[in-house]
Parts: sequence; C-alpha cells; structure tokens
Amino acid sequence: DTAVSQTPKYLVTQMGNDKSIKCEQNLGHDTMYWYKQDSKKFLKIMFSYNNKELIINETVPNRFSPKSPDKAHLNLHINSLELGDSAVYFCASSLGQGGGETQYFGPGTRLLVL
Amino acid sequence: AQSVTQPDIHITVSEGASLELRCNYSYGATPYLFWYVQSPGQGLQLLLKYFSGDTLVQGIKGFEAEFKRSQSSFNLRKPSVHWSDAAEYFCAVGPFNDYKLSFGAGTTVTVRA
Repeated sequence: DTAVSQTPKYLVTQMGNDKSIKCEQNLGHDTMYWYKQDSKKFLKIMFSYNNKELIINETVPNRFSPKSPDKAHLNLHINSLELGDSAVYFCASSLGQGGGETQYFGPGTRLLVL
Repeated sequence: AQSVTQPDIHITVSEGASLELRCNYSYGATPYLFWYVQSPGQGLQLLLKYFSGDTLVQGIKGFEAEFKRSQSSFNLRKPSVHWSDAAEYFCAVGPFNDYKLSFGAGTTVTVRA
C-alpha cells in the first residue's frame, strides 16, 4: 500500500490555466505538507496543515491555494499558471508537529507549464 | 534561522568503493538532523536521523552518519557502494520546537561500474 500518494504524476498545461494536484496519506498522520522542488533540485516548503488547519504558509503567491477536506488529504490548487511554476511538487506527511518528526514523501507531481 | 550546506554538488564513485557525503549546518542549538535519498523520478525516502545520544547513527541500506557538534557537521557514509545507490542525497535540519525542515541543495551520486 502506498503511504503517501499524489495525482497526477505528470501535468503538462498551458500558461494561464488552473490546475489541481491531489495528495492522500494512509498513515494516520495529523500533519501534511507541500514542497516545491525547482530545476536545481532545491526543496522549499510551501504549506503545512495540521488536522485540516493551516499552520505554515511560506511566501507563496496567492495563486496557490491549499485545501484539506480531512486530515488524510491535502490538495493544491494553482490559478493562472505561469512558466515559473514548472517544478516538481511533493506532498509529505508526519505524525505530529513536533520537531524531529519524520516526514514521509509522496512520489511527486511533475508540472510543466508551456 | 537554520541553514544547511552540502558542499559537494556531484560525486562519482566506483561500485564497491566507500562514499562520504558532507553536510554542514548552521543553528543556534543542536537541531534534529536528517538524511534523505531521492532516486530518479521518485520521492524522498528517509535514510536516517539524529536527535540526541550516540553521535554515530545507523540507517537503512547500510548508511551511517556521524554528528560532530564541534564542526557543525553530519556527514553520511557508506563503506561499499552499490549501483542502486546512484541518487540525489539531501541533508535536512529541523529545530527541536519546529517541524519546518530546511534542506540542503543536494548531492548527486553517480556510481560507475
């Protein structure tokens, strides 16, 4: 069974479109995250939710809007896609909020904006 | 704020040879330290982590890492590399009271036959 799953795995779209990426974890974790990995493989946290509540919102354009319908799901919706949004987006989850919690990552969604 | 430096962008090693990946961190106290591996086209997998106690930490796939407070380092080692170890390796640091991880830029490991 996949612990953290993301759909779709690949996403190719035109500039200006709106798209969503879905994430689900079956680990029973309370905390979920979205990361962006750029072309240089640098990983940066975007958002974090704990029990459906937003707890981290880094400096991310408001075109990005996370939604957590329940604590097992954290979706990412992106409006008006731009070329610079091309990246790999990783979802992750951890048991709790404490420092040192191991984060479990999904396989990533490779987004290409043309 | 914490930060992580991985000085080596790319390392090539022969199969069967030893491997050492460097990681230096900057933080006001002892943080939590992690090593993750990303195989091509895959997500990140935890290799090992350090919280406290024994400074030599054993992980999965035959990896180990040593925490050296005096050098602010957490280097990853493997005595004998397999071709399947070719991947991207990330060091990460997280403060004890915050789950927000900071990742290094990664080291790409190539294994030659």
